[in-house]
Amino acid sequence: EDQVTQSPEALRLQEGESSSLNCSYTVSGLRGLFWYRQDPGKGPEFLFTLYSAGEEKEKERLKATLTKKESFLHITAPKPEDSATYLCAVQADAGGTSYGKLTFGQGTILTVHP
Amino acid sequence: EAQVTQNPRYLITVTGKKLTVTCSQNMNHEYMSWYRQDPGLGLRQIYYSMNVEVTDKGDVPEGYKVSRKEKRNFPLILESPSPNQTSLYFCASSFVGNNEQFFGPGTRLTVL
Repeated sequence: EDQVTQSPEALRLQEGESSSLNCSYTVSGLRGLFWYRQDPGKGPEFLFTLYSAGEEKEKERLKATLTKKESFLHITAPKPEDSATYLCAVQADAGGTSYGKLTFGQGTILTVHP
Repeated sequence: EAQVTQNPRYLITVTGKKLTVTCSQNMNHEYMSWYRQDPGLGLRQIYYSMNVEVTDKGDVPEGYKVSRKEKRNFPLILESPSPNQTSLYFCASSFVGNNEQFFGPGTRLTVL
């Protein structure tokens, strides 16, 4: 069974204080790992897809990295508008079947204070 | 505007009264999926569809039905809702092979 664990559950930062969110996963074979951002009362918004260990993706103050067991979402010099819940999800490479099955972690609630 | 729409946005119903939550997308996406989100449990996939007439179970399909008769629509059916199906439901869509899923605004369902 695929499993995704995110830590910490909540993170409070001061504006400009860089940090990282962790996503540990267990999957039989990884097709892809995804990061989403969710604002209160809204649906998740896609951020990144990572496919193989060593891969990195960047977008503004966010950088996602991937190893064989975990992914990190690095936030550099965050601003209050970066406050949101960040979700990690994995898709297993089930030999070509079950392509559409995704497993999400519980998310990390990030609060950035001005 | 490219979007995923869900209706209704809020619904309060009683145990056993059949209901349907509609989901529609205007991006010609092949892939569509339903999730429920509960405090402490995160997002869990209910059903997904790779294309018209092709559906498959996610992690929590019990008590739900889906159909995909048209590419743009993917309704979620609760034949006999129970209180444990009280939750926030999200529909999402994407192109097959592209995992950038677009999510709808959510439907908050309360079953009394």
